[in-house]
Amino acid sequence: SQQGEEDPQALSIQEGENATMNCSYKTSINNLQWYRQNSGRGLVHLILIRSNEREKHSGRLRVTLDTSKKSSSLLITASRAADTASYFCATPRNSGGGADGLTFGKGTHLIIQP
Amino acid sequence: DGGITQSPKYLFRKEGQNVTLSCEQNLNHDAMYWYRQDPGQGLRLIYYSQIVNDFQKGDIAEGYSVSREKKESFPLTVTSAQKNPTAFYLCASSVQGPSGGYTFGSGTRLTVV
Repeated sequence: SQQGEEDPQALSIQEGENATMNCSYKTSINNLQWYRQNSGRGLVHLILIRSNEREKHSGRLRVTLDTSKKSSSLLITASRAADTASYFCATPRNSGGGADGLTFGKGTHLIIQP
Repeated sequence: DGGITQSPKYLFRKEGQNVTLSCEQNLNHDAMYWYRQDPGQGLRLIYYSQIVNDFQKGDIAEGYSVSREKKESFPLTVTSAQKNPTAFYLCASSVQGPSGGYTFGSGTRLTVV
């Protein structure tokens, strides 16, 4: 099965700075998704980028996808204390779009220092 | 408001007991999923269902069972055959196909005592 792996495992920055997290995966995908998880809570879907897209924006989030390198990045601009959370990338388990499940990496734990 | 409700939030199980975790959604989603999360780890897929009365094993189905008798409900039973059941369990749902992401419940934390 395909698997995304996030890098770095942990990231601590000052409020107001930008945070960048990376995800690498192993085989071809038709979409890649990013999720946020606050401590002890469920995951929240942030953004989905399709394989024919190179960049996507949502508010302060920017996601890029490089299918030739099998990698994606999530940029959070002008970070806030409320952005403190774990961030996961997810790819479809099989050749489908994710209907038979997503595979998640271990996540990047982001801490925003006030 | 539409969403997924998981209950209970915390659950304690004695050795040898079966326990059932509830997952209910009012999003009219066809597909539902159960994931397990261990500390510092990603999510691992236990079971999923793409349609009522049908479900498939995920990557770590041993020691678990599910049913999908109604579109809104996808309960997970953790059986005594599951050797290490202490974990955080997350239920999710989605529309069919790659048109959007998953909606997750707030999770059930299961502890064996």
